[in-house]
Amino acid sequence: EAQVTQNPRYLITVTGKKLTVTCSQNMNHEYMSWYRQDPGLGLRQIYYSMNVEVTDKGDVPEGYKVSRKEKRNFPLILESPSPNQTSLYFCASSWTNQPQHFGDGTRLSIL
Amino acid sequence: DQQVKQNSPSLSVQEGRISILNCDYTNSMFDYFLWYKKYPAEGPTFLISISSIKDKNEDGRFTVFLNKSAKHLSLHIVPSQPGDSAVYFCSWELQGAQKLVFGQGTRLTINP
Repeated sequence: EAQVTQNPRYLITVTGKKLTVTCSQNMNHEYMSWYRQDPGLGLRQIYYSMNVEVTDKGDVPEGYKVSRKEKRNFPLILESPSPNQTSLYFCASSWTNQPQHFGDGTRLSIL
Repeated sequence: DQQVKQNSPSLSVQEGRISILNCDYTNSMFDYFLWYKKYPAEGPTFLISISSIKDKNEDGRFTVFLNKSAKHLSLHIVPSQPGDSAVYFCSWELQGAQKLVFGQGTRLTINP
């Protein structure tokens, strides 16, 4: 089954404790992206990657890191999480110029 | 920068009637608009798109209309069904850049 898998689905943690949200896709898509969804703001792009070892900032990259060492994986790293990073996060992937497929989301709470 | 605005946070429609969801944008330069549908605890799923060279695109019960002079697009769902209850996001995509800019979303509720 074609899918984008995110882990964990839910996480409650404390300020400053490094965390990684994993994202994996099994469709051999070139393009992958991370979004955060906040009330009243829709989804905003954090980082995206056009292919292996090619990443770039989206609209709200501050406080986040990403890497794309393999085509299927695109982890989102919060080196020192802060409460303003409490949000619902979505990973997405696609072929170039095709609609994006989204994972089911990761709800992060930073206390 | 392109902005996409959905000014109605929620919409309630009776089953069988037409649902009309609206979206406004600021920048005349675009390639595609896409509508995504989102159920609770799931990620958004692609619904329908329209390119800048068209005024209308239809797929079954779903039709998107584009009014370039008014910088406005709308999604029509006819007839509305209970399974259509979800949050709908209007989004803009610059072709080749794979960059999506989303509106705030409209929660559609279909009442029996």
